[in-house]
Amino acid sequence: DAGVTQSPTHLIKTRGQQVTLRCSPKSGHDTVSWYQQALGQGPQFIFQYYEEEERQRGNFPDRFSGHQFPNYSSELNVNALLLGDSALYLCASSLLGRLGINTEAFFGQGTRLTVV
Amino acid sequence: AQRVTQPEKLLSVFKGAPVELKCNYSYSGSPELFWYVQYSRQRLQLLLRHISRESIKGFTADLNKGETSFHLKKPFAQEEDSAMYYCALSGRSGGGADGLTFGKGTHLIIQP
Repeated sequence: DAGVTQSPTHLIKTRGQQVTLRCSPKSGHDTVSWYQQALGQGPQFIFQYYEEEERQRGNFPDRFSGHQFPNYSSELNVNALLLGDSALYLCASSLLGRLGINTEAFFGQGTRLTVV
Repeated sequence: AQRVTQPEKLLSVFKGAPVELKCNYSYSGSPELFWYVQYSRQRLQLLLRHISRESIKGFTADLNKGETSFHLKKPFAQEEDSAMYYCALSGRSGGGADGLTFGKGTHLIIQP
């Protein structure tokens, strides 16, 4: 099991552009969360997807959107990029299941986004 | 609003000395607290959670609701403990992977 995989590993975009980041969850997991980690900070929760719906959302603007596919993989989209969006974007997967107990989150290595 | 505070950005101790990484939280309900660790060039991983009351790699953490603290402790530090440590909070019991609120992290360095 490769665990949580994210692509690409690094990305450079220009201010105003749009970006899509991808995440494949750990085998057996049904829930994907996205976090933004700025330099010197802890991860900040963006949103979580379960059954192809946004289940929870942190304090991020609508420029940040996501999607979950039937195979549980997920995409994070950011529109109208700002310099301040430069960060490491982490994906975490977990198993929520029907009991609603969200088990341990397993993190990917992240995508380093640089906006210039 | 929920908040996690880790007052030490960097903590350096000698091998064999006790370690205590501080974590204080702000939350109006009954949160679930976690410690995550990131070793050099590895991904973020769960170290321990307060509801399991386990000792992992010699580390323990007790939730003190009166002081709203969840400090991480180890009696005798080892060089392999050098890493970045993050305290995190979930606003729901059983929400181990709900949207977590993380502290800024403490870089622990164990000197030989």
